[in-house]
Amino acid sequence: AQSVAQPEDQVNVAEGNPLTVKCTYSVSGNPYLFWYVQYPNRGLQFLLKYITGDNLVKGSYGFEAEFNKSQTSFHLKKPSALVSDSALYFCALFNDYKLSFGAGTTVTVRA
Amino acid sequence: GAVVSQHPSWVICKSGTSVKIECRSLDFQATTMFWYRQFPKQSLMLMATSNEGSKATYEQGVEKDKFLINHASLTLSTLTVTSAHPEDSSFYICSALPYMNNEQFFGPGTRLTVL
Repeated sequence: AQSVAQPEDQVNVAEGNPLTVKCTYSVSGNPYLFWYVQYPNRGLQFLLKYITGDNLVKGSYGFEAEFNKSQTSFHLKKPSALVSDSALYFCALFNDYKLSFGAGTTVTVRA
Repeated sequence: GAVVSQHPSWVICKSGTSVKIECRSLDFQATTMFWYRQFPKQSLMLMATSNEGSKATYEQGVEKDKFLINHASLTLSTLTVTSAHPEDSSFYICSALPYMNNEQFFGPGTRLTVL
């Protein structure tokens, strides 16, 4: 069975500081991993994905994620957070033509 | 880029009525569409998978007679919440999967409030 875990419900950082949102996964076979961001009362916006290739994936709005097979992790990172990055972030695993979502992490960036 | 729309964005209805939500892929054909439900500050829960021209596949615990899904064309899927009750109030999000693709494109969501 496949699963995705986001161990932190909330992440709080000061503007300008590095931001990390954690994600671990479990799947048999090769993982297809995604990160999405959701603003209040809005749908999901795609940030980045890992299918194959380089372990460091660069995405939208300055975000990147590092795929670590040995640790079964796919943490989302941004070197310098902005107040506008405050939102709900979801990690997702694509397998058997379905997406399984993590519980979500609320990111709050304070000015 | 691939765009998915949903209509309506917001709907308020009385208990016992039925509500139809449309999901359209605007610039691509989607062989598969998905319907999710999201409660406040929670994750997306897959309700059903809809393939064009065939019956939807519902996830465990989702009442297929209450949540009717129709995928009549490669660009349109509809979700009808029948005899809606206040506990059906939620945020409903659809997504569309292009043929032979591994990335789903999400609609903006529909906020349903049942009074």
